[in-house]
Order: sequence, then C-alpha cells, then structure tokens
Amino acid sequence: DVKVTQSSRYLVKRTGEKVFLECVQDMDHENMFWYRQDPGLGLRLIYFSYDVKMKEKGDIPEGYSVSREKKERFSLILESASTNQTSMYLCASTGVSSYNEQFFGPGTRLTVL
Amino acid sequence: GQQLNQSPQSMFIQEGEDVSMNCTSSSIFNTWLWYKQDPGEGPVLLIALYKAGELTSNGRLTAQFGITRKDSFLNISASIPSDVGIYFCAGAPRAGNNRKLIWGLGTSLAVNP
Repeated sequence: DVKVTQSSRYLVKRTGEKVFLECVQDMDHENMFWYRQDPGLGLRLIYFSYDVKMKEKGDIPEGYSVSREKKERFSLILESASTNQTSMYLCASTGVSSYNEQFFGPGTRLTVL
Repeated sequence: GQQLNQSPQSMFIQEGEDVSMNCTSSSIFNTWLWYKQDPGEGPVLLIALYKAGELTSNGRLTAQFGITRKDSFLNISASIPSDVGIYFCAGAPRAGNNRKLIWGLGTSLAVNP
C-alpha cells in the first residue's frame, strides 16, 4: 500500500525560528509536492520536485525553501517562521506510472506564535 | 494560480439522500481526480478519470469526465454519516506542466443521520 509520512502531526514554533518539515514516501515516486491548506483557500502549491536535487517553484514559494537529497525524502524549510505561515502543510507524491494521481501524507498542523 | 470552479461550496443533506457536485474549467484537461478529506487528515484519492466521457464508479461514488474535457462531476448515492468531509476536484491541464494539478476549493458535505 502507498505510504506518505510526515515527521510531525502538530508543531508549535516561535516567530523567527527555522522550521523543518519532513516528508518520506515508500513508493519510489519521482515527483513530490508541498502544499499549504488554509480555510477558504483550498490547496496551494508551494514547491515540487521531479527528481533528486531538482525543484520547481509552485504558486506561493515566498518564505519557503525545499531540499531533496534522496528520492524518498522531500523537506520543506521555513527559514524564519512568521505568524502568517500558520497553516496545515500537506506533502504528496506521484510516480511516472500513476502520473497525475497524487498520494498525500496526513499533514502537519503548524502554529507560529 | 489557476483554480477550478467547484460547486456547491457546501451541502447539508439527510442520510440516504443522493449528492451531486461538479467542477468546471476554462481550459481543457487531460485528467480529472476526485479526493475526499476527513478533518485533520490528508486528502485521499477516490476516483481518477483519464478519458473524455469516461464514467467510473467506486462503491456508491460515480464520477464522469465531461465530453468537452472542461468539466467533471461526482455523485454519491444513498449518503451515510461517514460521507462527511470535504471533497476536492483536481485536474491536469493539457497545456503546461503536466506534473502540477489544478485544484478546486472543495465541497464541504454534512450528513444529518
């Protein structure tokens, strides 16, 4: 069965802290994605990666960076967390054989105080 | 970024009723996907559609890929309390980066037992 895991379900950080959100998939998928979800705004794409060490900006990359050093792991980094980054963060992955079917992790609810 | 027009925004129905929701786009799509999200969890893929006119079922759920390739609908028959959640449509446009999905804002479904 397809599995995407995220390092934390809930996280509380302070303004200005550096925050790492980790995502791991066990399906050997090439493509991985980071979204944030806010009420009334749906899912908005932050960054995605189609290969190791490759990344592309999504619709709202400002204030975020990503890292993909291994195929199974995609990290989202908030260099200096701000209160407007309080949100639900969702990681997803998809493979070449299931090209558009994205499989999601359980999400990380991040609160920045 | 681009978004799909998903309607209705919310529905409150009685257990046993049928439900219908739809998504429309101004551009042609190659793929339509329907997801369900339970509170505090990541979206789960319900149905994937890859061909214009395709009608696919998953238990009490039925989805169709519109003939014009610019719309899709999801029907739920004989709703039950566990159908409660947010339903999202997503599509892969024919033009542009096909790895990225375009998302609707969701239909929130409440079922009265």
